[in-house]
Amino acid sequence: AQSVTQLGSHVSVSEGALVLLRCNYSSSVPPYLFWYVQYPNQGLQLLLKYTTGATLVKGINGFEAEFKKSETSFHLTKPSAHMSDAAEYFCAVSASGNTPLVFGKGTRLSVIA
Amino acid sequence: GAGVSQSPSNKVTEKGKDVELRCDPISGHTALYWYRQRLGQGLEFLIYFQGNSAPDKSGLPSDRFSAERTGESVSTLTIQRTQQEDSAVYLCASSLERGGIDTQYFGPGTRLTVL
Repeated sequence: AQSVTQLGSHVSVSEGALVLLRCNYSSSVPPYLFWYVQYPNQGLQLLLKYTTGATLVKGINGFEAEFKKSETSFHLTKPSAHMSDAAEYFCAVSASGNTPLVFGKGTRLSVIA
Repeated sequence: GAGVSQSPSNKVTEKGKDVELRCDPISGHTALYWYRQRLGQGLEFLIYFQGNSAPDKSGLPSDRFSAERTGESVSTLTIQRTQQEDSAVYLCASSLERGGIDTQYFGPGTRLTVL
């Protein structure tokens, strides 16, 4: 079985500051890991995903995440926050391709001018 | 091209009534998923359709919930005798399922409120 824990239901950063959203997972098999973003009144949009290979994954809008097996983590980062990054971010895991995703509870990111 | 669409965008109903939620996946996507997002919670998997295979219903919370899919197109999620705890945003996603790790594309959701 898989599970995801996102540390911090709400993170607030200043514009231009580093964004760090934490995600830890549990999986009995090698995981596939995803970050999705949800803007108000919109569906989820994929930011990035890890399947195999390089552990540092780059996504859209300047975000990246690093898969650390030893720490069972897949934290999301962005060097410099922009006001448009304000949204809800969800980390998800699946046991194999094309199976239902198991989501964390989400982290709401606020960006302060 | 067009993304995943869902209707209605909002639904308010009285406890005990039945509701139907509709999902139109991206054309050509063989896989379709329903998730539920309750306030302050992550998304919970409900049901998964993949091609002509029997659907994976393991996430349905009770027998009041059911879903159908017509071929590889529209899906309808039905909730019978709605309860207040059914209030949530219901999200649909579709993917191409070429055999690799295909992205699930999400619709905007249907916000269901049960009074």
